[in-house]
Amino acid sequence: TQLLEQSPQFLSIQEGENLTVYCNSSSVFSSLQWYRQEPGEGPVLLVTVVTGGEVKKLKRLTFQFGDARKDSSLHITAAQPGDTGLYLCRGSSNTGKLIFGQGTTLQVKP
Amino acid sequence: KAGVTQTPRYLIKTRGQQVTLSCSPISGHRSVSWYQQTPGQGLQFLFEYFSETQRNKGNFPGRFSGRQFSNSRSEMNVSTLELGDSALYLCASSPGTSVRTDTQYFGPGTRLTVL
Repeated sequence: TQLLEQSPQFLSIQEGENLTVYCNSSSVFSSLQWYRQEPGEGPVLLVTVVTGGEVKKLKRLTFQFGDARKDSSLHITAAQPGDTGLYLCRGSSNTGKLIFGQGTTLQVKP
Repeated sequence: KAGVTQTPRYLIKTRGQQVTLSCSPISGHRSVSWYQQTPGQGLQFLFEYFSETQRNKGNFPGRFSGRQFSNSRSEMNVSTLELGDSALYLCASSPGTSVRTDTQYFGPGTRLTVL
């Protein structure tokens, strides 16, 4: 069974701090996506990475796909209260199976 | 462009009953996926429909079923409800061209409570 383990599960930081969220698996994924979900809403796609070693930047967010395509990280620089939410990684296997990580709940205090 | 809509938004049922949830995808999208989200298990994939055919299925019992209509609207049904079925059920639509890279657009979800 393919699993995606996210860490940490909860993160509470002050505005202006940096943070990194990790998404790890023992299996290879053909692609990996990161989503953010706010209370009362569905997840919203942030980025898709498909190539091992790929790095993508979205303003203060940096996403990296591991060389072996088994892990990924999301780094936020100078976090702001608007970054608060549930961050989810989602892997797509070669057979088209979609697996979500458990999620990381981020709280950024002003 | 209108987003993904799900109805109803909230539902309360009792054990043993059955329930049908509805999802209207974004116009032009042919793929609809369903997910169950709970605090303990996170977001789990139920199934995906593409052009009225089930294309992918997660590891849920047969009590969970779905279908897609010719206009891409989808319904999911849960029969013989159990307390553990209480969850947020999310529907997501996408163009359906690539499972790997398609952007899935999620609806706000249906909050199901089983008493």
